[in-house]
Amino acid sequence: GAGVSQSPRYKVAKRGQDVALRCDPISGHVSLFWYQQALGQGPEFLTYFQNEAQLDKSGLPSDRFFAERPEGSVSTLKIQRTQQEDSAVYLCASSVFLQELGQPQHFGDGTRLSIL
Amino acid sequence: DAKTTQPNSMESNEEEPVHLPCNHSTISGTDYIHWYRQLPSQGPEYVIHGLTSNVNNRMASLAIAEDRKSSTLILHRATLRDAAVYYCILDGGSQGNLIFGKGTKLSVKP
Repeated sequence: GAGVSQSPRYKVAKRGQDVALRCDPISGHVSLFWYQQALGQGPEFLTYFQNEAQLDKSGLPSDRFFAERPEGSVSTLKIQRTQQEDSAVYLCASSVFLQELGQPQHFGDGTRLSIL
Repeated sequence: DAKTTQPNSMESNEEEPVHLPCNHSTISGTDYIHWYRQLPSQGPEYVIHGLTSNVNNRMASLAIAEDRKSSTLILHRATLRDAAVYYCILDGGSQGNLIFGKGTKLSVKP
């Protein structure tokens, strides 16, 4: 079946430009996560949605980062006025529901963002 | 948040078993132990998880120490496609977000 889909796969932007990264979770998955992965490091949590509600945005590095999931399915991560330190792979993951701990998360293959 | 300690890298020969260790001495009673792996240029892939008892699935086995302060991921017959970074993770976030470390990079030799 269809897994988590992210687009674009690669994005190159000039410093100062705004970018938007899209995530299509697995159909019916309530929980959606965004992670940022720097080169050679493990992914780091950015933000979490339960349906359309953004319940945790504690990992967003600055107010230039904004995420939304208006209809509880597709999510967009937007980065305004990009900086070179924003260069990373941005991963999206979804899961059925996390009322019970231990539910596995299903990851997309990420968007590799390069800021020139 | 509870943390895990893993070796930076391990090597294995193809078709031999691989035991990937993980220490988590500060684990709490409700923390699940998760294992994910990440192949090059792909997102992390769920492997297995457990709470107290050993677990088996089609991909691997998870052996959990009786005091739960360590665990071992067992790949019964390594293949070249198992070469990846393996992450041992405890449920660390209040919303269930995963807290990754650097993981163990597994190399498999033919």
